[in-house]
Amino acid sequence: DQQVKQNSPSLSVQEGRISILNCDYTNSMFDYFLWYKKYPAEGPTFLISISSIKDKNEDGRFTVFLNKSAKHLSLHIVPSQPGDSAVYFCAASDPSQGNLIFGKGTKLSVKP
Amino acid sequence: EAGVVQSPRYKIIEKKQPVAFWCNPISGHNTLYWYRQNLGQGPELLIRYENEEAVDDSQLPKDRFSAERLKGVDSTLKIQPAELGDSAVYLCASSLILDTQYFGPGTRLTVL
Repeated sequence: DQQVKQNSPSLSVQEGRISILNCDYTNSMFDYFLWYKKYPAEGPTFLISISSIKDKNEDGRFTVFLNKSAKHLSLHIVPSQPGDSAVYFCAASDPSQGNLIFGKGTKLSVKP
Repeated sequence: EAGVVQSPRYKIIEKKQPVAFWCNPISGHNTLYWYRQNLGQGPELLIRYENEEAVDDSQLPKDRFSAERLKGVDSTLKIQPAELGDSAVYLCASSLILDTQYFGPGTRLTVL
């Protein structure tokens, strides 16, 4: 059973608008969450992270929100740019294992 | 700063043949990870090293997969013999202990 779920395989957004990518998790022991961005034929690139003691972290156009009671996090990109088109992976850190659990990814397409 | 280096980038082999992948982590990163990413899925951990010690290899299929990290720097992942189901992207990542993981570009393996 998947512990990290990204239920939207794809998302299409117009340039300049907001992109919202969602992620749900099942294990309340996860204490650190990350978003990675992946272009074709490249490895995942770290984008932004959030600790479980916070509910928001912002870095330029990227903001991650964490709702611990709902076991839900989201990545907001505003304004979206065509260069943001990629697959975005949500990952959770399992402190008992010391490794990351990844979702299946959401493919974002930003149209000019 | 140089990132995680992996080679080869692509490998095509026939089933039952052996194959090996190489990874050089970011300088100073004592933790090294090997992940496998199947099509349409997120990366899944195969093995994690802290320095030269394999601290989590619970997901490594030990009947055909092996890994080593001699001297606690670069690492090799081997499959012998390869099966059709081993076709995937093999990703190496490195980090300082319990810190953000940085990924290499991956090796795309095709088993015919």
